[in-house]
Amino acid sequence: GESVGLHLPTLSVQEGDNSIINCAYSNSASDYFIWYKQESGKGPQFIIDIRSNMDKRQGQRVTVLLNKTVKHLSLQIAATQPGDSAVYFCAENGVISGGFKTIFGAGTRLFVKA
Amino acid sequence: SQTIHQWPATLVQPVGSPLSLECTVEGTSNPNLYWYRQAAGRGLQLLFYSVGIGQISSEVPQNLSASRPQDRQFILSSKKLLLSDSGFYLCAWSPGLASLAQYFGPGTRLLVL
Repeated sequence: GESVGLHLPTLSVQEGDNSIINCAYSNSASDYFIWYKQESGKGPQFIIDIRSNMDKRQGQRVTVLLNKTVKHLSLQIAATQPGDSAVYFCAENGVISGGFKTIFGAGTRLFVKA
Repeated sequence: SQTIHQWPATLVQPVGSPLSLECTVEGTSNPNLYWYRQAAGRGLQLLFYSVGIGQISSEVPQNLSASRPQDRQFILSSKKLLLSDSGFYLCAWSPGLASLAQYFGPGTRLLVL
């Protein structure tokens, strides 16, 4: 069935290094993807999005890559900082099982070591 | 700019008691509204969504219900709480259903004892 999953549930990186968080999706009809950041005890916050007609989009220190051929989405964080420690969720939007839906992945916890 | 509010922030309730969580959105009209539950260390489970006043769609059968009495107000309720209702409840809004991001409130942490 449809799913948005993450390859690595936990990721630990050294401060200053680049982080890459991966996400796999199974619904080829999904046409819009989002990354969220959730800090402990808070609601998820929108980070960056990408539409299916693009394969790369850059924000401030973050880049999202979309590979539709293998249904893979990644979030790259440059020069990771302690404040980047959080759980990161990917989400896909599209017509799924006959209706328009948003499906969230299980999340990856990012630890930044000082 | 748009803002979304949830209250209370934290709630401890005994099993069998009623529940009412409120969510309001400011700065937009006709938003789509969503209720999610998040268990500790887990992902988001969509409970209800609404595309307009009085219009509620339920994603999973459960002990909870939702209502939308006003355009920018979304309420999550229960007549009798269960232990399994404990969790972090998140309200979200989006400008529409089609390919647009959802924006989340601060959440309500519910502990049922």
